[in-house]
Amino acid sequence: QSVLTQPPSVSGAPGQRVTISCTGSSSNIGAGYDVHWYQQLPGTAPKLLIYGNTNRPSGVPDRFSGSRSGASASLAITGLQTEDEAAYYCQSYHNSPRGWVFGGGTQLIVL
Amino acid sequence: QITLKESGPTLMKPTQTLTLTCTFSGFSLSTSGVGVGWIRQPPGKALEWLALIYWDDDKRYSPSLKSRLTITKDTSKNQVVLTMTDMDPLDTATYFCAHRDRTVTPDAFDVWGQGTMVTVSS
Repeated sequence: QSVLTQPPSVSGAPGQRVTISCTGSSSNIGAGYDVHWYQQLPGTAPKLLIYGNTNRPSGVPDRFSGSRSGASASLAITGLQTEDEAAYYCQSYHNSPRGWVFGGGTQLIVL
Repeated sequence: QITLKESGPTLMKPTQTLTLTCTFSGFSLSTSGVGVGWIRQPPGKALEWLALIYWDDDKRYSPSLKSRLTITKDTSKNQVVLTMTDMDPLDTATYFCAHRDRTVTPDAFDVWGQGTMVTVSS
């Protein structure tokens, strides 16, 4: 049972827009801690996609965007492509007990 | 270019102590703000943060695993070592090390190693 809750899967057709939610609590996202997002392609290590709620590292397409509101955060992917099919994880900080936490992961299926 | 690579045993027996080494290049663990963390992922399951060490030797551990973990660094060798005692089949997972820089991407792990799979079985 992850501290941050994500839907197990989302799906969309190529070209469409999908969003992935990450729901926390007053001990993590709701306390103002930043949310980060990672993309994990099959058989590979996670890759940082969004940091500090809304920022993209160099090289990440602007089709990927993040937002945070209250105790939740979202990752939006526009212009869906087949290569976006992967698992996506949110991450934040939890202050009781203290430590960094990940969401349970969301599998994106491109139809 | 920052790179990290994990190394260690692939197969362990229950109750043994695991020692994993993260060897990195492209940064120094003596630079202010820099850290290296360990994260694991059981087969088909989610990521779990384990431990983190900063440039100033500040160490943080997962509360649920704190009693079993020790993280150390060897700045001269560009290595970070994680030990986990009393291994159990539930510890079977891919173990990743990852880079963090508070001054660039605070609290996020911006570069990851490829991971090393550890299986615990009698």
